Amino acid sequence: DTEVTQTPKHLVMGMTNKKSLKCEQHMGHRAMYWYKQKAKKPPELMFVYSYEKLSINESVPSRFSPECPNSSLLNLHLHALQPEDSALYLCASSRGDREGTEAFFGQGTRLTVV
Amino acid sequence: GEDVEQSLFLSVREGDSSVINCTYTDSSSTYLYWYKQEPGAGLQLLTYIFSNMDMKQDQRLTVLLNKKDKHLSLRIADTQTGDSAIYFCAESIYGQNFVFGPGTRLSVLP
Repeated sequence: DTEVTQTPKHLVMGMTNKKSLKCEQHMGHRAMYWYKQKAKKPPELMFVYSYEKLSINESVPSRFSPECPNSSLLNLHLHALQPEDSALYLCASSRGDREGTEAFFGQGTRLTVV
Repeated sequence: GEDVEQSLFLSVREGDSSVINCTYTDSSSTYLYWYKQEPGAGLQLLTYIFSNMDMKQDQRLTVLLNKKDKHLSLRIADTQTGDSAIYFCAESIYGQNFVFGPGTRLSVLP
């Protein structure tokens, strides 16, 4: 099983809403990532969790709040977003150790902020 | 710092070979990857190569790595219309903290 599952697939939210994006993997990977991808651009790293601890925060605004409840789950809590935050949000996972090689990506959540 | 560059567009005829090129700057990269993204979808890992290799072949895909010039290429043999997508080159150190290139949009013409 090399699957990373993201829910929901699509989300429309208002600027005053609170919502959460969810990501799940059962490959025993200990590194999990959130990326943001705007149209016709490469994915941009937002957060990295390594062994359930936040190891990288790429200067992401506090309206995005990541959470890693356990080694299989990664959430991204959203609050007071702006229209320019509309994008495809991708979750990925990798082994997270020096034997690790590839990262596997989910299908993404397409977020529209209105 | 890390930087990955790719040409943005490539058009080929169905049945021809496609070659997508990538250059990177981080000499400490241990793995280099090719991901495919179809419209509205996530990233699909196509293949990767360890930095001490210079070639890897997997069915229609051939990856060439010139570590001295920091140049990576992906050759797709017998390109089909289903290969039309954006192809991202990426680098990492031991499979962590991936850095992506801007992506090459491959168009396959009938």
